[in-house]
Amino acid sequence: QSALTQPRSVSGSPGQSVTISCTGTSSDVGGYTHVSWYQHHPGKAPKLLIYDVNERPSGVPDRFSGSKSGNTASLTISGLQADDEADYHCCSYAGSRLFGGGTKLTVL
Amino acid sequence: EVQLVESGGGLVQPGGSLRLSCSASGFSFDSYALFWVRQAPGKGLEYVSAIRGSGTRTHYADSVKGRFTISRDNSKNTLYLQMSSLKPEDTAVYYCVKGAYYESNTGYFDYWGQGTLVTVSS
Repeated sequence: QSALTQPRSVSGSPGQSVTISCTGTSSDVGGYTHVSWYQHHPGKAPKLLIYDVNERPSGVPDRFSGSKSGNTASLTISGLQADDEADYHCCSYAGSRLFGGGTKLTVL
Repeated sequence: EVQLVESGGGLVQPGGSLRLSCSASGFSFDSYALFWVRQAPGKGLEYVSAIRGSGTRTHYADSVKGRFTISRDNSKNTLYLQMSSLKPEDTAVYYCVKGAYYESNTGYFDYWGQGTLVTVSS
C-alpha cells in the first residue's frame, strides 16, 4: 500500500482559511469512515484533531473541520492563528493504518 | 491526564537489537489497544505495530514483520517493542500511541507520546 498523498506545504495569513487534502484510493480513504487528522509541532507529541472524517474530540476548536469526497479527505483550518503553524498528518484505516506524507503549514 | 513516556532509544549498529518501552498512566491500561508509529527523518508517519488491550492479538507492518515484536505488561502499565535485525532504514523517532478502542483493528489514535529516537548506523 502506498502512502496517502498530501501537499508538502501550504500557507496562509492570520485570520484566513486553508485546506489540506489527503488523497488515497477506494481501498483506503474512499472505502472507510476511519479518516483522522493529527497536528504535530516538532519536538512535541502529535495531537488528534479530527477522527471518523469529521468528528472533533473535546477541546479541539471548531476552527478545525474535516470532510471527505470520494477518495480525498480534507482538513480545513479557519481563522488561522500563529500557533497553527505545524505539520499535519492524515491517516486512514485500510486493513492496517496508512498515513499521508505530512503537510507543513506556514502562517505568514 | 493521559501520559505516554517512551524510553530505550539510542544508537545501534545494523543487525543489532534494541527494546523500546512506553510507560503509560491516566487511563485504564488494559482497556485500550496500543500502537507504535515511527517517523524517519524528513518523512511522514509510518504505522509499525499494534496490540489489543489484552495483548492476545498483535499486528505488524510488512516492513518490520519477523523482526519486531510488540508486547505489553498490563500489570506494569507498560508497552514494549523488541526490535532485532535492525536496518539503517529503521532509523526514526518511535512514538507510543494509545488507540481509542480495545481492539487494534478499528478506530483512531487519541493520545501520543513525545517519541524516542532510534538511530541505526555503523
